[in-house]
Amino acid sequence: QITLKESGPTLVRPTETLTLTCSFSGFSLNSIGAAVAWIRQPPGKALEWLAFIYWDDDKRYSPSLRSRLAISKDTSKNQVVLKMNNMDPEDTGTYFCAHLAVSAYWFDFWGQGTLVTISS
Amino acid sequence: YELTQPPSVSVAPGTTARITCGGDKIGTKSVHWYQQKPGQAPLLVIYYRDDRPSGIPDRFSGSNSGNTATLTINTVDAGDEADYYCQVWDSSNSHVVFGGGTKLTVL
Repeated sequence: QITLKESGPTLVRPTETLTLTCSFSGFSLNSIGAAVAWIRQPPGKALEWLAFIYWDDDKRYSPSLRSRLAISKDTSKNQVVLKMNNMDPEDTGTYFCAHLAVSAYWFDFWGQGTLVTISS
Repeated sequence: YELTQPPSVSVAPGTTARITCGGDKIGTKSVHWYQQKPGQAPLLVIYYRDDRPSGIPDRFSGSNSGNTATLTINTVDAGDEADYYCQVWDSSNSHVVFGGGTKLTVL
């Protein structure tokens, strides 16, 4: 069974860098076709895809946030890390990590999400 | 690439809910649908064209043609009340796109 769980700070100051970790089990990011994504949701608003990383370290980023994002993986720890710099109050929201269906583009398993507030 | 959903849909229990997702030539893409209840993570309910993950009842179905994809929920009950999001892969730009979400209210 695939499970994912996000961890990281709940409060970040404006202009700081957010670092989030997705810890997962039930699959390996060494397996061909495997990928993990990050998606966020401001309070009361829609889902917004941020990035994903493939088993072969290929990466894709949201065009609107590309310059602020960096995604990486540690296959030995079964973790994916997302860094987002220059945080702004508008970045406040729940951040989810999710498993991409193998060699496909839908998200079949999601973490519970972690709420991040940007405030001074 | 943009996906347009109506902000809200309201139906009576036992009837059929149809939630649309509009996009340019969306009929040429695979559209995936998620259900999200308050305080919960999204749940995949339809993927690829009209496939349902294990555990999703066959009351949920998807269709897609032209510029509109539709999620249909038959015999709606109070447990279906949630936000629903459509999602596609924009292959020309290599990125994921979500619709703005539709709040389904069961009257």
